[in-house]
Amino acid sequence: DAKTTQPPSMDCAEGRAANLPCNHSTISGNEYVYWYRQIHSQGPQYIIHGLKNNETNEMASLIITEDRKSSTLILPHATLRDTAVYYCIVRESAGGGADGLTFGKGTHLIIQP
Amino acid sequence: GAGVSQSPRYKVAKRGQDVALRCDPISGHVSLFWYQQALGQGPEFLTYFQNEAQLDKSGLPSDRFFAERPEGSVSTLKIQRTQQEDSAVYLCASSFHPQDPLYGYTFGSGTRLTVV
Repeated sequence: DAKTTQPPSMDCAEGRAANLPCNHSTISGNEYVYWYRQIHSQGPQYIIHGLKNNETNEMASLIITEDRKSSTLILPHATLRDTAVYYCIVRESAGGGADGLTFGKGTHLIIQP
Repeated sequence: GAGVSQSPRYKVAKRGQDVALRCDPISGHVSLFWYQQALGQGPEFLTYFQNEAQLDKSGLPSDRFFAERPEGSVSTLKIQRTQQEDSAVYLCASSFHPQDPLYGYTFGSGTRLTVV
């Protein structure tokens, strides 16, 4: 079972920041928070990951609360191409490779023109 | 190639038919995963290879499902005697590092299997 809880869907206006929440209250100390997204008819795409510090890359920012029980993925200027299902996943970084990602149902983010 | 390539892109099979789905990972990627994604659901793990060794097949739903990666590069997922509940998108993912894919897995676009 997924160790994360996400809202099933969200809307965001084009050009605004999209903030996607994720709860992971049972996260353990050596587990990372990963975010992937899946655009219709494509495979999932890696976005970002973090352990306890906030992270930023060219795609998004990841804000992790101090107690690490929740996080927020921020798309700073959403475009129509950001419409996708966003998955929040917790996983040990060095999990032996044998444990695959547990995706859950994710959040369907719809960017409105 | 630049990405993970899967073929065929679409496959329609009659119930009871055997199918083979192919995955070409990124060159040099050690780890390879297969996932099954039912309509409206997130992908679910099927099996994992490190080079040619199948280290985990705990997600394979039945003994009708078989995966191989004989030379540590291309992988094939075979489903024997297909049933309607096998209808799904089958995704392949690869990563360079065997145990610590900190930069994430790269997924293919998947094969959509429809069993009629």
